Amino acid sequence: DADVTQTPRNRITKTGKRIMLECSQTKGHDRMYWYRQDPGLGLRLIYYSFDVKDINKGEISDGYSVSRQAQAKFSLSLESAIPNQTALYFCATSDGALRDYGYTFGSGTRLTVV
Amino acid sequence: AQKVTQAQTEISVVEKEDVTLDCVYETRDTTYYLFWYKQPPSGELVFLIRRNSFDEQNEISGRYSWNFQKSTSSFNFTITASQVVDSAVYFCALSENRDDKIIFGKGTRLHILP
Repeated sequence: DADVTQTPRNRITKTGKRIMLECSQTKGHDRMYWYRQDPGLGLRLIYYSFDVKDINKGEISDGYSVSRQAQAKFSLSLESAIPNQTALYFCATSDGALRDYGYTFGSGTRLTVV
Repeated sequence: AQKVTQAQTEISVVEKEDVTLDCVYETRDTTYYLFWYKQPPSGELVFLIRRNSFDEQNEISGRYSWNFQKSTSSFNFTITASQVVDSAVYFCALSENRDDKIIFGKGTRLHILP
């Protein structure tokens, strides 16, 4: 099994629907992150969590919410999906010693909002 | 504020040529960390290297090499004798010491033509 697992891998949803992207990890890391990737824009940080009781907004949090259900689980929700939220979403983890190797990334969730 | 600029949006070279991907960063911190990640067509993000701000030694790993110059705030990546398998999007990234978030550049799409 992968260290960081994202589900689903691909999802097509309609405008206005609520959708949840899930991330689970077996690394035992405290810190988890959600990024979105758009062509030509790189990866932008949506939310991050340094432990179960600590949730922080990133660069582009509007339209998103998160839940840290446990140390190993960090979910991203789109309350009312819109087409410009079509993107590739990545979950990542870190043990806090970020300097050593950066993040461990999941394989990504490709979301299409129609 | 921290910022990473990858001015080259897309590069195409013929196989076996050398190619350099440019990265310029901005930060207020004296302690910071620089990264390069590779994203092949399959979409996953692959960690390539981390460098801290106190280590300006160049790094070589096989056909890959990195040139870190604090004087010009650059952390450039060179692939020697490129191969088709090097075709990917490459991201340069920065993390400041005060922060455990990684800020990514917009990426450079590299095409290696057979």
